Amino acid sequence: DGGITQSPKYLFRKEGQNVTLSCEQNLNHDAMYWYRQDPGQGLRLIYYSQIVNDFQKGDIAEGYSVSREKKESFPLTVTSAQKNPTAFYLCASRSQGASGRNEQYFGPGTRLTVT
Amino acid sequence: DAKTTQPNSMESNEEEPVHLPCNHSTISGTDYIHWYRQLPSQGPEYVIHGLTSNVNNRMASLAIAEDRKSSTLILHRATLRDAAVYYCILRDGFGNEKLTFGTGTRLTIIP
Repeated sequence: DGGITQSPKYLFRKEGQNVTLSCEQNLNHDAMYWYRQDPGQGLRLIYYSQIVNDFQKGDIAEGYSVSREKKESFPLTVTSAQKNPTAFYLCASRSQGASGRNEQYFGPGTRLTVT
Repeated sequence: DAKTTQPNSMESNEEEPVHLPCNHSTISGTDYIHWYRQLPSQGPEYVIHGLTSNVNNRMASLAIAEDRKSSTLILHRATLRDAAVYYCILRDGFGNEKLTFGTGTRLTIIP
């Protein structure tokens, strides 16, 4: 089945450690996105990539880094510079459909807790 | 980015229609109206989108006002599985592929 996988579902880290969240898609989509969601809030865009080897900062990129070496993969590293890393992290990829559809497909998310 | 305004929460009885409103008074002519929903502890999923005309699909209908400053997502017969947060989002049709999610409307379905 085609889709987006994120692993792990739950992740616990000590403060001061970098941590990398995995995102893989087999939908053959060019564009991929990382969002952060805090309790009771909407999603905020961290980074996005429209093509391999290229990515752009979103609205809250500070303290995060990404790479896009393969079309299928868009890992997110939460660095120790991120002041409030505990959150629900969502990865998405985008289809290029007709009639302006361009819907984003989301993975199941990774819930990161830093103590 | 053009902004949308939605009620924080709504309730509906099971098996009745639900009308979820969205105001977007600063919408531009090239903005598409997208709706996504997010079930608890899951990623959002696409529901429907439109530009000017009303739209129907297997999940819902989208009614767009003639001046495009508001829209309504219609669930024709709500089930318990429709309980979710519903997001109304404007997407620039000229290549800006970012989606800006607000806080959405939390829909509760009463059995």
